[in-house]
Amino acid sequence: GEDVEQSLFLSVREGDSSVINCTYTDSSSTYLYWYKQEPGAGLQLLTYIFSNMDMKQDQRLTVLLNKKDKHLSLRIADTQTGDSAIYFCAESIGGTASKLTFGTGTRLQVTL
Amino acid sequence: NAGVTQTPKFRVLKTGQSMTLLCAQDMNHEYMYWYRQDPGMGLRLIHYSVGEGTTAKGEVPDGYNVSRLKKQNFLLGLESAAPSQTSVYFCASSPIRTSHQPQHFGDGTRLSIL
Repeated sequence: GEDVEQSLFLSVREGDSSVINCTYTDSSSTYLYWYKQEPGAGLQLLTYIFSNMDMKQDQRLTVLLNKKDKHLSLRIADTQTGDSAIYFCAESIGGTASKLTFGTGTRLQVTL
Repeated sequence: NAGVTQTPKFRVLKTGQSMTLLCAQDMNHEYMYWYRQDPGMGLRLIHYSVGEGTTAKGEVPDGYNVSRLKKQNFLLGLESAAPSQTSVYFCASSPIRTSHQPQHFGDGTRLSIL
């Protein structure tokens, strides 16, 4: 079955880089996503990567995918206080609906 | 830009009461989903719909029912609320799967069962 795991908490200083890690178990994943959840809000899609890609960069965000190890990471460069949130990785296995399996979420705390 | 709207935003129920959560989307999306979010467990899919008049079970469907009578609305019902259903409920929608299309989420409904 599908299982997506993340560490629960990460603390970084403002201006440093943040790296949030995720491991997944299903090798048939088609898309892998990173969502951001701010307090009291829903999930906002940050970026995604197709399973045949190794890396994707979007401004301050870099996604790295290691298919052999089933490991996904999100790097946030020059982390700001506004980046404090919970970050979820999710995988899409396919089928008739775009069903997602979410990780437990990583709470990113940015300190001054 | 309304996107996905959930009502109500907060609700407190007594054990055994019933209620319906409403999700409305104005993006003409085919697919709609209901998730629950619990501490340390991420989001888990309750039910989903691939079009008007259709529904299907997700990962944790027990104790919930859904209906999709109109394309833009997806209702989640609790017939007899239990404390284990205390959670934050999220609705999402996405277009038909012809190419990659991400899910769009509402802001959530916080439900407490006493």
